[in-house]
Amino acid sequence: QKEVEQDPGPLSVPEGAIVSLNCTYSNSAFQYFMWYRQYSRKGPELLMYTYSSGNKEDGRFTAQVDKSSKYISLFIRDSQPSDSATYLCAMKGAGSYQLTFGKGTKLSVIP
Amino acid sequence: SQTIHQWPATLVQPVGSPLSLECTVEGTSNPNLYWYRQAAGRGLQLLFYSVGIGQISSEVPQNLSASRPQDRQFILSSKKLLLSDSGFYLCASVTAGLNYGYTFGSGTRLTVV
Repeated sequence: QKEVEQDPGPLSVPEGAIVSLNCTYSNSAFQYFMWYRQYSRKGPELLMYTYSSGNKEDGRFTAQVDKSSKYISLFIRDSQPSDSATYLCAMKGAGSYQLTFGKGTKLSVIP
Repeated sequence: SQTIHQWPATLVQPVGSPLSLECTVEGTSNPNLYWYRQAAGRGLQLLFYSVGIGQISSEVPQNLSASRPQDRQFILSSKKLLLSDSGFYLCASVTAGLNYGYTFGSGTRLTVV
């Protein structure tokens, strides 16, 4: 079993839809959770960062963590064509700087 | 905030030729530095990481090597490129003591022909 599992998609949605991106993990030592957005031919950029179970909201984006189920999600409300990108989940344990990444989900938002 | 400079952005090299990719970091000191390779459908593969000058840890056996001659400089090299070395190479940095995850460079797309 891989440490982090992420559905690679691709996921195609109409503009304005709510998007749900998910990752599951097996290592209970993971305490910090991140979502990165990567546009084509660019480096990933940090989108959301959280370390506690529950929801964290930033504009149209909500990161959700359920440590008991080892499951994290990223919700995008009112999706826009500019949200079309690959989204990578990442996580790490306390006291470690090294991230473990999911393989990424490619999202296309159709106008 | 940190900024990572990576160059070149695109590179086409023949099989058997040498390689040198450079990464420099601004806005922090004593960062942990990482080299990743990203291939389509395979996610991010960690190649090397460094916690300080001259300190390199290799994650996978390959014909690539890395060096850190200065605190904020990280170099990825090869003496003889293989076709399988093609990919998108990313440099990443994280500042010790912070838990905000990596900052990535803009990447180098390497095609070995």
